[in-house]
Amino acid sequence: DVKVTQSSRYLVKRTGEKVFLECVQDMDHENMFWYRQDPGLGLRLIYFSYDVKMKEKGDIPEGYSVSREKKERFSLILESASTNQTSMYLCASTTTGLAGVYEQYFGPGTRLTVT
Amino acid sequence: GEDVEQSLFLSVREGDSSVINCTYTDSSSTYLYWYKQEPGAGLQLLTYIFSNMDMKQDQRLTVLLNKKDKHLSLRIADTQTGDSAIYFCAEMDRDDKIIFGKGTRLHILP
Repeated sequence: DVKVTQSSRYLVKRTGEKVFLECVQDMDHENMFWYRQDPGLGLRLIYFSYDVKMKEKGDIPEGYSVSREKKERFSLILESASTNQTSMYLCASTTTGLAGVYEQYFGPGTRLTVT
Repeated sequence: GEDVEQSLFLSVREGDSSVINCTYTDSSSTYLYWYKQEPGAGLQLLTYIFSNMDMKQDQRLTVLLNKKDKHLSLRIADTQTGDSAIYFCAEMDRDDKIIFGKGTRLHILP
């Protein structure tokens, strides 16, 4: 089974702190993604990466950065956390499965609260 | 830009069929997906359909695609309490990004 893990299920940080959210996948996937999920807004793409050391901005990259030093690990960084970054953060990785289907697998999510 | 729309809430009695509807705007979508998110969990790929198909059945799940109207639906037969979740419709755009709808919360009545 594909496994995508995230370093924490719940995290509480103070305004202005630097926050690292880690995501690891064990299936040698090239593509990895960070989303945030908010009530009434669904999933919004923050950043994604198609390869090691490669990153692309998603729809809402402001206030975030990412790091992909190894293929299996994709980190989301909040340089200076703010209360409007309180959210559920979901990591995903993708592969091309059987018959060329592009399947995306999600981690369990990290619920971040910034106080 | 591309957009995926779905209603936010659906309430169904246990044993009845649930039908969750979705519309999308990108006519070049190649794959369309349904994901399920149970409380406190991440998203799980439930099923998918190629854009050149109009129907796919998988046990209690039936996906219908009307490409002309850009309308996708998910039918769950004999809805059970374990089906209570948020269901996300999604499409893969021309840049191979997956665009999600806001999710439909399915509530099961006893």
